[in-house]
Amino acid sequence: EAGVAQSPRYKIIEKRQSVAFWCNPISGHATLYWYQQILGQGPKLLIQFQNNGVVDDSQLPKDRFSAERLKGVDSTLKIQPAKLEDSAVYLCASSHRADNEKLFFGSGTQLSVL
Amino acid sequence: AQKVTQAQTEISVVEKEDVTLDCVYETRDTTYYLFWYKQPPSGELVFLIRRNSFDEQNEISGRYSWNFQKSTSSFNFTITASQVVDSAVYFCALRSNTGKLIFGQGTTLQVKP
Repeated sequence: EAGVAQSPRYKIIEKRQSVAFWCNPISGHATLYWYQQILGQGPKLLIQFQNNGVVDDSQLPKDRFSAERLKGVDSTLKIQPAKLEDSAVYLCASSHRADNEKLFFGSGTQLSVL
Repeated sequence: AQKVTQAQTEISVVEKEDVTLDCVYETRDTTYYLFWYKQPPSGELVFLIRRNSFDEQNEISGRYSWNFQKSTSSFNFTITASQVVDSAVYFCALRSNTGKLIFGQGTTLQVKP
């Protein structure tokens, strides 16, 4: 079974530029999550989708971050414009409806904002 | 407020030593889930165990064991006879009724040969 796919693996941009990350969850997983992991900290949930609907985006900085999952499969997370404090690893995870407690994570996208 | 605390930032042991990773949580929910995840250098978090708040039975899986004590709000993780491949960052997490997974800050385990 293929795992959660994320791209790119690394991204370096300058502040005020925009960037987008892509995630393809495990086939059949209805729930998709985006987490932000700042160096030395645990992951923090940014947004959770159930199929193509948003379940929780309470910690998403909506003035600069946006995410979509139009067809209920893959998802894109965008930052526009980026700030220095956005430097982090962005992790995508998915879970199956039958076992929503167990999350499968991708390897993440490491973003450096200079 | 819900919170997970992993007081040990870094632990270094020599191979074959036993090591315990501590996790203390805070929640007012009566129903909740606790998790341990492993994050190797490759970056992806790997699920290790899930425990619900009504099941205080300790669990053993090979060299791994978990001690859940509701009275002290702790969910500690022990690796017996550690190996170099156990080197990773380990996260304890709490999932509340709202469904949000709250992670601790992680403990970096280094197992030296």
